[in-house]
Amino acid sequence: EAAVTQSPRNKVAVTGGKVTLSCNQTNNHNNMYWYRQDTGHGLRLIHYSYGAGSTEKGDIPDGYKASRPSQENFSLILELATPSQTSVYFCASGDRGTNERLFFGHGTKLSVL
Amino acid sequence: SQLAEENPWALSVHEGESVTVNCSYKTSITALQWYRQKSGEGPAQLILIRSNEREKRNGRLRATLDTSSQSSSLSITATRCEDTAVYFCATNYGNEKITFGAGTKLTIKP
Repeated sequence: EAAVTQSPRNKVAVTGGKVTLSCNQTNNHNNMYWYRQDTGHGLRLIHYSYGAGSTEKGDIPDGYKASRPSQENFSLILELATPSQTSVYFCASGDRGTNERLFFGHGTKLSVL
Repeated sequence: SQLAEENPWALSVHEGESVTVNCSYKTSITALQWYRQKSGEGPAQLILIRSNEREKRNGRLRATLDTSSQSSSLSITATRCEDTAVYFCATNYGNEKITFGAGTKLTIKP
């Protein structure tokens, strides 16, 4: 079974602070994704990546940056965190060209106070 | 607005009954996936149905796809308490981008 691991599982940050959410996958998948989940909105795509060194904007990229330093790792960076970024964040991986199945991590619950 | 949308927003049935969740999407797709998310977990795929397929089954699950009306349905028969979850449809647009709807919250009552 494919494995996607997110860290931390829970994070409390202060407004204006920098937050980095990390994701590691051992599936050797090319594609990785960051979504946020809020009640009433479901899963919304923030950034995604085709492979090491690449990042693409998703549907709601404002206020977020992404970094893909290697095939296995994909980070989501909030340079200046705001309370509106309080949410649950999910990382996922999938095969390029087919994307026939995304494998998700367990999520990171972020609270910005 | 989101490119995929499930309805109804919430649904409740008794164990053993059948239930159907619907999904509508807004543009041409290469495939549509159904995911289930249990409380405290990430979503997990249930079924993928490609744009040239009309129906797909997986055990008690049956998905349909109608590209002319840009809609899909997921039916669950003989529901169990463990089917309680949020169900999402997700659309593949052929460019590696996968978009999810807001989800349908399904509750199975004993």
